[in-house]
Amino acid sequence: EVQLLESGGGWVQPGQSLRLSCAASGFSFGSYGLSWVRQAPGKGLEWVSTISGDGAGTYYADSVKGRFTISRDLSKITLHLQMNSLRAEDTALYYCARVFDTTDYYYAGADNWGQGTLVTVSS
Amino acid sequence: DIQMTQSPSSLSASVGDRVTISCQASQDISNSLNWYQQKPGKAPKLLIYDASNLETGVPSRFSGSGSGTDFTFSISSLQPEDFATYYCQQYDHVSPFKWTFGPGTRVEIK
Repeated sequence: EVQLLESGGGWVQPGQSLRLSCAASGFSFGSYGLSWVRQAPGKGLEWVSTISGDGAGTYYADSVKGRFTISRDLSKITLHLQMNSLRAEDTALYYCARVFDTTDYYYAGADNWGQGTLVTVSS
Repeated sequence: DIQMTQSPSSLSASVGDRVTISCQASQDISNSLNWYQQKPGKAPKLLIYDASNLETGVPSRFSGSGSGTDFTFSISSLQPEDFATYYCQQYDHVSPFKWTFGPGTRVEIK
């Protein structure tokens, strides 16, 4: 059974940093891309970032580019999201998700999700 | 950037009803579209991928269709466990890579 367990959320002030982690199990970690998707309170889903299975490819939403860094530790089977220069609009529940490929394309969507970790940015 | 819209934003229906949700892309995305279900306090769940393919284990009352810019998601006979919010999501496989979710459609009990 695929399991994704996020941690590292909390309350920070604007401008501060936070590092999220996602512990994965139940699948071949290095064979799948992974993504972070966030959901502000009472709002819809917003894609944040995706990393390839080998970690060589990283992709970011414009809203976080230059501030967030996605990475993965193959030895610890863990995904990370380093979030710097946090803003109030980054307040959200952050989900870690396993990415699936289709016949024709890579990184088509997310087929398994964690339960999320809440990040609150407020003064 | 590709924008996604959904309609309606919410609907009320009864158990046994047929429910249809529309999703529209601002430009041609071929069949690069997925549908998710999200229940309150829970993570999203993949239901349909590539516009019309049912994810393994998902009941056959769920279906999807469409290509290009116009897509439809249907529940043939609404069940009590289907009351949730449904999101479409497009994946942009050309540079720059990105996913875009629709704003969601909330399906409520009438």
